[in-house]
Amino acid sequence: DFQMTQSPSSLSASVGDRVTITCRASQSISSYLNWYQKKPGKAPKLLIYAASSLQSGVPSTFSGSGSGTDFTLTISSLQPEDFATYYCQQTYSTPPTFGQGTKVEIK
Amino acid sequence: QVQLQESGPGLVKPSQTLSLTCTVSGGSISSGSYYWSWIRQPAGKGLEWIGRIYTSGSTNYNPSLKSRVTISVDTSKNQFSLNLSSVTAADTAVYFCAREARGPKYWFDPWGQGTLVTVSS
Repeated sequence: DFQMTQSPSSLSASVGDRVTITCRASQSISSYLNWYQKKPGKAPKLLIYAASSLQSGVPSTFSGSGSGTDFTLTISSLQPEDFATYYCQQTYSTPPTFGQGTKVEIK
Repeated sequence: QVQLQESGPGLVKPSQTLSLTCTVSGGSISSGSYYWSWIRQPAGKGLEWIGRIYTSGSTNYNPSLKSRVTISVDTSKNQFSLNLSSVTAADTAVYFCAREARGPKYWFDPWGQGTLVTVSS
């Protein structure tokens, strides 16, 4: 299986901060990389697909970049509703696998 | 828009079979553009893909669970189901169903809210 490693595992930030989360694949996955947001008791929400494409309805404060093995999710200005756990996912190889998650908490 | 909802017993005894159903509303499960997947998340752990089904009935399973998993579809009810046999405490998790866009690059959207299944005697 392709291993996905996110960093950091958690971070504390303030409203308005710029936040960057990194995801590294154990092998090259081209741009077969998605990002999801998960809040407690809620369904995971697709934010970014194919590494850099913004899902419809997702605020433009979210962006994704990268290819190969290194990827980044950036929140340009953190909003109160953005405090959540974020997961990357590779779909280059079956089974699709997820990172362990990055929890974004309020400072 | 399409919504998914998981249902099934919240408590299963060890060695028994876990059975869950995902009901799709707001769209047809028979749409040729999608697969239908199950994913789970044990408490405090990451997300694990279990498997997928196409409306033709063709399936793919995670090799780590393949010997115990069966996914089926009932197009007349707009539902698909998960059976996981010989469960142990390690199968305690929140189970999600999700729609998976077909194509070389694919993603899961939308997801159900998830249902907690506890394996305990």
